[in-house]
Order: sequence, then structure tokens, then C-alpha cells
Amino acid sequence: DADVTQTPRNRITKTGKRIMLECSQTKGHDRMYWYRQDPGLGLRLIYYSFDVKDINKGEISDGYSVSRQAQAKFSLSLESAIPNQTALYFCATIGDTGELFFGEGSRLTVL
Amino acid sequence: AQSVTQLGSHVSVSEGALVLLRCNYSSSVPPYLFWYVQYPNQGLQLLLKYTSAATLVKGINGFEAEFKKSETSFHLTKPSAHMSDAAEYFCAVSDLGAGNMLTFGGGTRLMVKP
Repeated sequence: DADVTQTPRNRITKTGKRIMLECSQTKGHDRMYWYRQDPGLGLRLIYYSFDVKDINKGEISDGYSVSRQAQAKFSLSLESAIPNQTALYFCATIGDTGELFFGEGSRLTVL
Repeated sequence: AQSVTQLGSHVSVSEGALVLLRCNYSSSVPPYLFWYVQYPNQGLQLLLKYTSAATLVKGINGFEAEFKKSETSFHLTKPSAHMSDAAEYFCAVSDLGAGNMLTFGGGTRLMVKP
């Protein structure tokens, strides 16, 4: 089983719909992250969490919200999806040496 | 603030040729530097990392990178490209003192011609 699991892997939705992307990890790490990947832009940080009670905005948090339900679970929500949120989304945890462990990604298409 | 610049969004080499992917960074503190690889339809996996030990870092699949402080560079190389190296490569810098925030470059897609 993967250390970081994301669901769904693919989702097509319509403008204005609410979407939740879920992430769970078995690494036992406290710190979890959500990134989005767009061609030519690399990965950009949306939100991050240092523990269950600590949530922080990243560089592109507008239009997104998150919930840290437990140490192992960190979900990303789009309250009202728009087409420019079409992207590949990655959840990650971080180890003691700063290495990120990524999920396999959730591809979201907003029509 | 930290940043990463990867020169060349696409690099094409012939099988057996040298691979050189360029990465320059800026950081206000001694950085930790990483190269990640992303194969099609997969997440990112770590190739190698520099964490203030040896400046020449060896990674998986025959890749290596050299940290050059004077040039603020961390270029990725491989002596002989293989078809299986075709992927997208991301350089990243981390400031562990600021909470393990990784900043990624825009990525370089490596194409390997037979």
C-alpha cells in the first residue's frame, strides 16, 4: 500500500460545484501539504498543516479550504469550483530531513 | 524568501548522451536542495537531496548533482541517458528553519531520442 493515498484520482465536475479531495498517510508524520501542479509552473503550495490544530495558507490558498481531521488525514475542498482550478493536485507529508513524500495525485477538471 | 529557477522547460538528448538539467536557487539561509522526478501519470519521487554534507550528491538511477554555493546552482547530471529517463524533473529548495517549506522550480521535461 502507498504511504500517501489520494482519492479520487480523477474527477470531472462543473463550475460552481463543491469538490473535496481526500488524503491519508501511513508515515506517521505530523506535517502535511497540498500542492497544485500546472504545466510550466511546477508545484505551488495551497495549504499546509503542522499538526491537527495548526493550518496555514500557502501561496495560492484563495478559493480553497482544508480540514485536518486527524494526524493521518488532510482534505482539500473547493467550495465553488471554477475552470482555472483545473489542475493536478498532490498531497504530501514531510520527513525529518525535509524530504516530501507524495501521493499519486488527483486530476481535477472543472468544466 | 526562497526561489528556484530551472533553465529550459524541455530538454532533448539522444540515448547514451550526457544529461544536464540546470537549477539555480535563492535562499536567505543555507539551503536543503532536492531533485524530484515525475514519470507519466505518477506522483513525484525523490532522486537525490543535498543537506549540507558532501557537495556532490549521488542519487538513484545513476543521477548526481553538485551543490555550488558560489554559483547558487544545483545542476542534475547523468553521464549516459537511457530511454527510461524520459520524465519531468523538478528542483526544489527547502528552508527547514521556516517549517520545511519546499519551493519548486517550474520543471524540466526530459525527452530521450533513440
